[in-house]
Amino acid sequence: SQQGEEDPQALSIQEGENATMNCSYKTSINNLQWYRQNSGRGLVHLILIRSNEREKHSGRLRVTLDTSKKSSSLLITASRAADTASYFCATDASNFGNEKLTFGTGTRLTIIP
Amino acid sequence: NAGVTQTPKFQVLKTGQSMTLQCAQDMNHEYMSWYRQDPGMGLRLIHYSVGAGITDQGEVPNGYNVSRSTTEDFPLRLLSAAPSQTSVYFCASKRSGGEQETQYFGPGTRLLVL
Repeated sequence: SQQGEEDPQALSIQEGENATMNCSYKTSINNLQWYRQNSGRGLVHLILIRSNEREKHSGRLRVTLDTSKKSSSLLITASRAADTASYFCATDASNFGNEKLTFGTGTRLTIIP
Repeated sequence: NAGVTQTPKFQVLKTGQSMTLQCAQDMNHEYMSWYRQDPGMGLRLIHYSVGAGITDQGEVPNGYNVSRSTTEDFPLRLLSAAPSQTSVYFCASKRSGGEQETQYFGPGTRLLVL
């Protein structure tokens, strides 16, 4: 069964605007990760946030985690055409850490030049 | 480093045929895994391995076999292909021992079962 659900399923914004996508999950987790997938390619790890963290930054990326609501958000600031991709959240609820990632259904982001 | 490599990139099978999807990594990672990606479903874990000689089932293991005889290789076998196995398959690897370790994904194998 799917652990994570991303919202929205698709998002189109103008270049330079900020993009926000959300992820909800169902069970307790060790960490939550965000991945990017360009069309026809493999997934690339973006950022990991642990269950005891509330916010994390990496370059133009900002991730928040609310374990009480079982939700996370990914903010991409000052979007670029190269940010066009699908974005997936993945949760880790395994005993030994990061061994059984459960992926959401993804948000397809399109940046309009 | 080549990272995680997968072969073939694309394969067409007839129902009932068998095949092996190859996955190799040159990063000396202990952990390797196989996922399938279907439209609107995200990625689902098929099988994984925490080291040579050790494998375990993921969320959707039925119809697939794996083995891990070396650290580098983790092949996925379809013994009797079914149309429901039409999907894109991704292999991933990471170092074990810490939840902070990043998973590295291969480019994928696109499989069509007729």
